[in-house]
This record gives sequence, C-alpha cells and structure tokens, in this order.
Amino acid sequence: AIRITQSPSSLSASTGDRVTITCRASQGISSYLAWYQQKPGKAPKLLIYAASTLQSGVPSRFSGSGSGTDFTLTISCLQSEDFATYYCQQYYSYPQTFGQGTKVEIK
Amino acid sequence: EVQLLESGGGLVQPGGSLRLSCAASGFTFSSYAMSWVRQAPGKGLEWVSAISGSGGSTYYADSVKGRFTISRDNSKNTLYLQMNSLRAEDTAVYYCAKAEVGATLQGDAFDIWGQGTMVTVSS
Repeated sequence: AIRITQSPSSLSASTGDRVTITCRASQGISSYLAWYQQKPGKAPKLLIYAASTLQSGVPSRFSGSGSGTDFTLTISCLQSEDFATYYCQQYYSYPQTFGQGTKVEIK
Repeated sequence: EVQLLESGGGLVQPGGSLRLSCAASGFTFSSYAMSWVRQAPGKGLEWVSAISGSGGSTYYADSVKGRFTISRDNSKNTLYLQMNSLRAEDTAVYYCAKAEVGATLQGDAFDIWGQGTMVTVSS
C-alpha cells in the first residue's frame, strides 16, 4: 500500500495567516491526490482534486500544488471558518490511503 | 440536491454482523463508483471498500477483506456494506462516498459524502 505522510499534525494560526500543509507519498502517484476539510461531527468536504483543481464552490484562497510524491495545500488568508482538520488522500491505486490529518487551530 | 443517507449502524457484540445502507438521490446512481470510508473515534479517515457503477468490480482494505462485502442495488439507488465477524477495532463512523468522475474503479476523489452512521462493537 502507498503510505501518505502528512505534516504537520497540528498547527496554530491566526485569521489572515498563510497556512501550508504538506503530504508526501511513499511512491509516485502522478497527480492523483485530493484534499478534504473536516469539521467536528461532520463529514469530510472535498476541496481539491487532481492535486491542484479546486472543487466547485470552494473559495479561491485554497490552492493545491505538486505531483509525483510531494504535495502542498495552501490557505492564502485564513478565515474563521477554515479552522478544521485537513486530510490528503491518494487515489492512484488501491487501497486508497489518507494522510494522518492536520488540525488547524486558532492561535 | 445530491444526497447520500446512511443507516444501519448500532451496537453489536464482537463476532456479530451488521448491514449498512446508503440511499442516494439527486444523481444517476449507476453512473458512479461508490466507496465506504470509516473513522474511528478521535482518529483519521480509513478507506474500507469500493464498488464500480455496475457492481461488477470491488476492492477491499486488507483490514476487512474476507469479513465485509460491498454491494449495490442500482434499481433502488442504494449501496450496502455487509459486515461480518465484527471486531472492536471496527468501531467507527462509517461514511459512504460518491466517486467524483465516473463508474469505473479507476481511482477518484470523493465529491459527495453521507453524514455517517456509527458502528460500535462491544460486549
């Protein structure tokens, strides 16, 4: 199975900050990577797919980049509603695997 | 509105069985692969199983292979997960999720998720 290493596991930031989360795959996955946002008690929400394509309705302050093994999610200007846990997911091969998650907390 | 609604969760003893259902609406169900993803309390997401739009192809995580069976009834727009020989480590919220692009198991992000159903395995 492809392992996904996500970092950091948590971070503290303030509204307006630029935030970066990274995922590294144990082998090349081309651009078959998605990013999800999850708030407590809620289902995950798709933010980005194909590494850099913004899902319809997702604010443009979210962006994704990378290919191969190294990927990044950037939130350009953190808003109050962005405090949540973020997961990356590889769907290059089965079993599909998720990163461990990054909890973005208020500083 | 595109919607997925899970049901069937509950408390079951170790070794027991449970069948989860996921009712889909607002899209052509048979045109999309579907998956089950679970989340143990306080933990991250774990992909469990996937099924093609026709139901003819399936994949399973090693942790559930041989114990869980995914299936679908396209005439009823419903996805199922039959869970047998349940263990304490199967305790989780189970989500059904729709593939973003199509019916094959080519690998897709999940663009629509249900609200989840809780499964607790305990004596």
